[in-house]
Formats: sequence, C-alpha cells, structure tokens
Amino acid sequence: QPVLTQPPSSSASPGESARLTCTLPSDINVGRYNIYWYQQKPGSPPRYLLYYHSDSAKGQGSGVPSRFSGSKDASANTGILLISGLQSEDEADYYCMIWPSNAWVFGGGTKLTVL
Amino acid sequence: EVQMVESGGGLVQPGGSLRLSCAASGFTVSSTYMSWVRQAPGKGLDWVSVLYSGGSTYYADSVKGRFTISRDNSKNTLFLQMNSLRPEDTAVYYCARGGNYDYWGQGTLVTVSS
Repeated sequence: QPVLTQPPSSSASPGESARLTCTLPSDINVGRYNIYWYQQKPGSPPRYLLYYHSDSAKGQGSGVPSRFSGSKDASANTGILLISGLQSEDEADYYCMIWPSNAWVFGGGTKLTVL
Repeated sequence: EVQMVESGGGLVQPGGSLRLSCAASGFTVSSTYMSWVRQAPGKGLDWVSVLYSGGSTYYADSVKGRFTISRDNSKNTLFLQMNSLRPEDTAVYYCARGGNYDYWGQGTLVTVSS
C-alpha cells in the first residue's frame, strides 16, 4: 500500500493561515485522486472536513467552515489543506486520505499547534 | 440524524476472539460502503476493512484471514469478527460511512494482552 507523507507537526498563530501538506509516492499521480482531509481532537473520533480533486470537483463536509479549503500542487505531487483565519479550536491532528482502489490509505497525520 | 455506535471491545488474550458491532441510525447500512478503521494508542489512522453495498469485502493485509466484516440488514448493524488476535491489534476501532468517511462512530477500544 502507498504511504502518504505528512509533516509530524506544524504551528501558526491565531488569525494566520496554516498550510498542511500530504505528499503521495512518486508512482501515484496526485492528479488522479480525491484527497480527503480529517480533523481529530484528543478523545474524539475523526471529523470529515473536505475532499479536493480539482477546483471543479471538491466538497465540504457538513458544517465545516469555508476557511478550510483544499488544493493540490501537482509539481510536488502533494495535496494541501489550507486553514485560514486560524482559531484556537483548530488545534488538532489532521489526516489526509486517498482511496486508490479497494483500500483506503491514510497519511501519518500532522499535529497543528495554534500558538 | 446520522449516528453510529460501536460496541464489543474489551480486553482479550493473544489468540482470542472478539466481535465488534456498529449500530447505525439515520441511514441504511446496506445502501452504502461501510468500513472499519483503527487507531493504535498514540498513533495514526489505519484502514482495516470495507463492505460494499453489493456485498464485496476487502481487508488490509495485516488482518486478512483473521478478520471478517459483515452486516445484518434487519438490525442495520455492521460487524467485525476478529479472530487470532495479536498484541499489535490493540487499538480503538471505528466504523465509518461511505467512501469519503463522512460520519464516524465514537470508537470501541480493543486491548490484546496477556
């Protein structure tokens, strides 16, 4: 199974933006897949945030604020979660996922600290 | 309102068995993909198994031949039968809905230890 690479940690200050990345293996083209993003706070199950395939194929989870958005950097074979206007409640672990075939693959997660 | 409630976790010795349940409400389990995802203590998310609406099943290599996913349509419930359990199966087990995992249960803890 492919491995999705996420930085273990990231930090930013309230009001700033956080850019979380999810890099796919070189043999898997990010352009072919939906990238799904989840937020998890301690003691709680993951929460579905959004998926991004392209600007014309994307979707937001129910109740997820529009300051959470997705994109891709094809040159880096990477999916991106952008969180703008950071709030203290955004401090959490964030996981990316792809669904390449009959298996689902998660990244290792990024712990986002809001300073 | 969509809701999923897992149960059946607990402490079991290596080599033992457990059967997890995921009781769903607000939607029909048989009409969508349903998966089990686990999370070892302090670790990330790890896909375990999927049951498609048509009945096809798939498993992670780490559990293939030991775990079986199934559902009871009359009870609108998803199951995971876990046999030959190993210490490395220790985790919180979540059920998740759909291909995008838009809803998750609260999880049930499975501890495999002597």
